[in-house]
Amino acid sequence: DSGVTQTPKHLITATGQRVTLRCSPRSGDLSVYWYQQSLDQGLQFLIQYYNGEERAKGNILERFSAQQFPDLHSELNLSSLELGDSALYFCASSAYLQGGAFFGQGTRLTVV
Amino acid sequence: TQLLEQSPQFLSIQEGENLTVYCNSSSVFSSLQWYRQEPGEGPVLLVTVVTGGEVKKLKRLTFQFGDARKDSSLHITAAQPGDTGLYLCAGAGDSNYQLIWGAGTKLIIKP
Repeated sequence: DSGVTQTPKHLITATGQRVTLRCSPRSGDLSVYWYQQSLDQGLQFLIQYYNGEERAKGNILERFSAQQFPDLHSELNLSSLELGDSALYFCASSAYLQGGAFFGQGTRLTVV
Repeated sequence: TQLLEQSPQFLSIQEGENLTVYCNSSSVFSSLQWYRQEPGEGPVLLVTVVTGGEVKKLKRLTFQFGDARKDSSLHITAAQPGDTGLYLCAGAGDSNYQLIWGAGTKLIIKP
C-alpha cells in the first residue's frame, strides 16, 4: 500500500461527458502529480501541484484541468471526453522529488 | 530538453538467467529512481540513487548510478518469474519540478 488513494478505480462514460478523478496523497506529502498511461504506452506527465499551487505542466489538454485543495487532496477534471481519452490515470505524491514518487492504484477510464 | 533512454525495450529470458537494464542520458540528474509496474497497477518505487557511483542492492536486484550521474543500470541475478513486469527509470533534476521518465523495459521471465 503506497498510501495514495485514488477514486474511482473504474469509470465508464460516453463521449462528450465530463468526469472528475480524485486523489488523496500520502500523509505529509505536499506534491501531487497526475499522469496518463494509454494501453502499452509510457507514463505521460500531465500536471503537478505543490501545496495548492500549480507548479509544472506537461502535455495536458485544454479540456483537462486539475486543482489541489487546502487539505491537499487533488482532483483531475476531464471534459468533452473523446474515445482517445480512454486510459489509466495515475496520481502520485512525494515529499520531495529526489526521494521518489508514490503512486495510487489508478483510475481506468473508458470512454464509449 | 532532458531525455532518458532506456534499453532494452523488451526482454524475455529463462528463469535463472541474469540480465541488465540500462538508463542513459546526456543530462545530469540529482537522483535516479527505478520503479516496477504490473499490468493495471501503479508503478512502485524500488530504489533511489543520488550519489555518483552509488550501488544499492535489493535482494537479487543491484542498482548502480553512473559516476557522472547521467546513467544508471539495474542488474537482476538469477531472474525468477516473479520478476516479470515493466521496469521504469526516472530522473529528477535540480531545477525542474517533474520526473523525466524512460520508456520502460518490459521483462518476461519464463519458468
